[in-house]
Amino acid sequence: NAGVTQTPKFQVLKTGQSMTLQCAQDMNHNSMYWYRQDPGMGLRLIYYSASEGTTDKGEVPNGYNVSRLNKREFSLRLESAAPSQTSVYFCASSGGAAPGGYTFGSGTRLTVV
Amino acid sequence: ELKVEQNPLFLSMQEGKNYTIYCNYSTTSDRLYWYRQDPGKSLESLFVLLSNGAVKQEGRLMASLDTKARLSTLHITAAVHDLSATYFCAVDYRGGADGLTFGKGTHLIIQP
Repeated sequence: NAGVTQTPKFQVLKTGQSMTLQCAQDMNHNSMYWYRQDPGMGLRLIYYSASEGTTDKGEVPNGYNVSRLNKREFSLRLESAAPSQTSVYFCASSGGAAPGGYTFGSGTRLTVV
Repeated sequence: ELKVEQNPLFLSMQEGKNYTIYCNYSTTSDRLYWYRQDPGKSLESLFVLLSNGAVKQEGRLMASLDTKARLSTLHITAAVHDLSATYFCAVDYRGGADGLTFGKGTHLIIQP
């Protein structure tokens, strides 16, 4: 089925460890996004990529890096995980001008201990 | 900076009752979205409202948009338990180049 695929679905890290969250879409969308969701906070934008080869900071970029590997893939890296990064992470993609064209992945539940 | 405010943030209601969730946003926007999220799940798209006066309905849910007031409403008619979920409104502008800005969500519990 077409959509946004995120891996892994669950992860437990120790403080200071690093990891990369993977995201891939097969809808030929130009734009991709990483959000984090914390209780009572809604979803907040971490980084986004409006097109292949470009990335920009969102509302809460500190502690994260991203790579737009190609049009399909957009990864999020935590270089040195902190307990404050415990959250649920969602990747999304958008066709830009297409109304309602945001598609969300199933999420990654990350716990940093 | 675009801000999106939802109210109420928590709502407990009985089956059969009507209620409205409000979504205010701070900047002229192109599009207004409503999503549903069940516990432990991803976001499910409910409505996309594209212009002033837009109204969309699906089952017991109806969404409307007033761009002049920068206000969207999600109205629930004759609520049923299956509508229990968290509902988010979100806004984008600049054609979605910067992604969506979300409200904090309304946690809705519908009791039999």
